[in-house]
Amino acid sequence: DIQMTQSPSSLSVSVGDRVTITCQASQDIQKFLNWYQKKPGKAPKLLIYDASNVATGVSSRFSGSGSGTDFTFVISSLQPEDIATYYCQHYFSLPVFGPGTKVDIK
Amino acid sequence: EVQLVESGGGLVKPGGSLRLSCAGSDFTFSTFSMNWVRQAPGKGLEWVSFINTRGSYIYYADSVKGRFTISRDNAKNSLYLQMNSLGAGDTAVYYCARESRKYNTSPGVLDLWGQGTLVTVSS
Repeated sequence: DIQMTQSPSSLSVSVGDRVTITCQASQDIQKFLNWYQKKPGKAPKLLIYDASNVATGVSSRFSGSGSGTDFTFVISSLQPEDIATYYCQHYFSLPVFGPGTKVDIK
Repeated sequence: EVQLVESGGGLVKPGGSLRLSCAGSDFTFSTFSMNWVRQAPGKGLEWVSFINTRGSYIYYADSVKGRFTISRDNAKNSLYLQMNSLGAGDTAVYYCARESRKYNTSPGVLDLWGQGTLVTVSS
């Protein structure tokens, strides 16, 4: 099975800061990688699909890059509503989510 | 409004069974493959199962294989998850989620999610 790791596991940032989260796959997954936002008590929300495509209706401050085994997710300027946990998910084979990165306000 | 609404969660004893439902509205349900994803308390997201539009491609996570059965009724715009032999490790909020691409035959990009239904397995 393909395993996913994310770093950091959590981070505290200020409004307006640039946030960078990395996701690593245990083997080459090409670009079969998505990013989701999850807030407590809310449904997960698709942000980025196929490593770098911004989902419909999602702010352009969210972006993704990478291929193969190493991927990066960026929030260019953190807004208060971005406080959430972010998950990467591969679908090169049956889907596996990363362990998540919790983002909160410093 | 395009949405998914889950139901059927609740408290069940270890070894018991439960059937979850998910109703889709304001989109052509029959043209989209569907998934179940769960989140245990304080834990991350875990993909559970996938079914394509006709029910001819079905996949399960190893953690539920042999115990859970996914199905759908396109005439009722509904997705189901029959859960048997439940254990404490199955306690979670269960989400149904739609595939973004029509007629997918394997799980991939999940673009529409329900609000979830809580399943608690406890004696």
